[in-house]
Amino acid sequence: EDQVTQSPEALRLQEGESSSLNCSYTVSGLRGLFWYRQDPGKGPEFLFTLYSAGEEKEKERLKATLTKKESFLHITAPKPEDSATYLCAVQATTTDSWGKLQFGAGTQVVVTP
Amino acid sequence: GAVVSQHPSWVICKSGTSVKIECRSLDFQATTMFWYRQFPKQSLMLMATSNEGSKATYEQGVEKDKFLINHASLTLSTLTVTSAHPEDSSFYICSAKGSVFNQPQHFGDGTRLSIL
Repeated sequence: EDQVTQSPEALRLQEGESSSLNCSYTVSGLRGLFWYRQDPGKGPEFLFTLYSAGEEKEKERLKATLTKKESFLHITAPKPEDSATYLCAVQATTTDSWGKLQFGAGTQVVVTP
Repeated sequence: GAVVSQHPSWVICKSGTSVKIECRSLDFQATTMFWYRQFPKQSLMLMATSNEGSKATYEQGVEKDKFLINHASLTLSTLTVTSAHPEDSSFYICSAKGSVFNQPQHFGDGTRLSIL
């Protein structure tokens, strides 16, 4: 059975204190791994898609990397506005043809000034 | 680009009434739309997948007669919660994606449904 596990569940950072979030996955075949950011009371906002091991994507203070078993979301010198829940999701090759995603439980990040 | 609008954002209604939630893709054609439910402090739970012009595919345990989904055009899908009861109170979120298989889903801002 496909599984997506995110760690830690929660992360409290000082402004400027870099850190990494982990998303480990078990799927029979990976078609894509997606990172989203969700603010309270809002829908998830798309950040990155990674398709193959070794791939990296960057956007401002965020950088996502992918291996065959896990993905990391690195937050460099975070600011308070980076506070959010970060969700990881995978699309497996064995899923239906419509692109269904399996989500992890998320990591809640709080960045204090 | 890739904007998804969901309406209403908040609805309160009495037990036994039906509630319709709309999900629109504003700047792209959404071949597939997804409906999720999210409980506090939990991740998204997929309820159903809908494709334009086809019947929705429901996840195990989701009552298709309770949660009616219509995807009549490439830009609009609706979720109707029929005869809603307090246990249906939740945060409902839709997402939409185009026809390329591994394109990302883009999400609406959700609807907070409270049944009294």
